[in-house]
Amino acid sequence: ETGVTQTPRHLVMGMTNKKSLKCEQHLGHNAMYWYKQSAKKPLELMFVYSLEERVENNSVPSRFSPECPNSSHLFLHLHTLQPEDSALYLCASSQEWGTGSYEQYFGPGTRLTVT
Amino acid sequence: GNSVTQMEGPVTLSEEAFLTINCTYTATGYPSLFWYVQYPGEGLQLLLKATKADDKGSNKGFEATYRKETTSFHLEKGSVQVSDSAVYFCAPPCGGYNKLIFGAGTRLAVHP
Repeated sequence: ETGVTQTPRHLVMGMTNKKSLKCEQHLGHNAMYWYKQSAKKPLELMFVYSLEERVENNSVPSRFSPECPNSSHLFLHLHTLQPEDSALYLCASSQEWGTGSYEQYFGPGTRLTVT
Repeated sequence: GNSVTQMEGPVTLSEEAFLTINCTYTATGYPSLFWYVQYPGEGLQLLLKATKADDKGSNKGFEATYRKETTSFHLEKGSVQVSDSAVYFCAPPCGGYNKLIFGAGTRLAVHP
């Protein structure tokens, strides 16, 4: 148990569907991240949020839309996805300053399959 | 920019064998360094970390020493178990906001 939860754990959706992934951290952290993990590819950082503000978008297609309503919650809204978007989506959080401990803590991921 | 090179897997070992997974990196300054582990069907977990040069991180029998002269952070374990079968990622920092750069991961398979 890392203190970061993600729901759902598994999601199958058609290309015309709209769905959302949810991440919640119980660690009091102020930075949150979305990653995509595809088979046989390095982990890809998608978005970075710091104090609820998006500070990085790594050329992610607009069919992925993140939202951070507060420092504990992060969403990834999905629409009109493609089969190549099938992957494990990981959320992480970290404390940017104060404690001196800057590692990221990951959730268990959402396994997304686009049909 | 920062980069990391991690030995390719898969690494296949018998139980109780010695494990080394090599990791070298390029980074500005002397940042904290991390090893993460991903068990099947799970997210990444922090395995160990070293926060300064010559520091040794350790956890669950795994160790890694932060060698600034060789810019390396090799992961070692003296006697692996079947339960250590997983993918291991070396992760130095990469820019602000505590971003990390992950290696490709090394898959370890331990057989009885």
